Amino acid sequence: DSGVTQTPKHLITATGQRVTLRCSPRSGDLSVYWYQQSLDQGLQFLIQYYNGEERAKGNILERFSAQQFPDLHSELNLSSLELGDSALYFCASSDREGGELFFGEGSRLTVL
Amino acid sequence: QQQVKQSPQSLIVQKGGISIINCAYENTAFDYFPWYQQFPGKGPALLIAIRPDVSEKKEGRFTISFNKSAKQFSLHIMDSQPGDSATYFCAASRASNYQLIWGAGTKLIIKP
Repeated sequence: DSGVTQTPKHLITATGQRVTLRCSPRSGDLSVYWYQQSLDQGLQFLIQYYNGEERAKGNILERFSAQQFPDLHSELNLSSLELGDSALYFCASSDREGGELFFGEGSRLTVL
Repeated sequence: QQQVKQSPQSLIVQKGGISIINCAYENTAFDYFPWYQQFPGKGPALLIAIRPDVSEKKEGRFTISFNKSAKQFSLHIMDSQPGDSATYFCAASRASNYQLIWGAGTKLIIKP
């Protein structure tokens, strides 16, 4: 158990809809990262927050947005969903910028 | 220059054999090279990491070999076991910002 909690574990929705994925980092970790992993694909970095501030952006679509709240939990919002958005979405946290990343078990999104 | 190239994409090794996964990078500013292990249905977890001040780091059956001049690093799994079957990701980052650049992953299968 990494200590990172992601909800929901599974989500099935339709094209055009909007979903929110939630991540609670390990206790004390200030940095949160979001990654997308499509079937049998690598990890695509989406975005990083540190103590509530956006720190880095990767290949995140304009339809996607994220934020980190004062209690350090983070949410990833995915809107106008397309079939190609079906993937595993991972959250990871670290105690500082850099260092070991601790990943959650992911949220599996299926868009029908 | 930001890429990390990982090979092979997939690998099948007999139980007891040596598994070798290779990664190459171009950015000479990279100075942190971790390997993450991902089991099906789970998030990646840090397996072992190396910095370029050493050419080799060993932890149990897992060894990272690092060749600074060739800009390559590799993971060796000695006496490979069926429980080692997983996807392995290499990554690299610069100390200044620690944004990890990920390899594409290697799916390792150890045959009993």
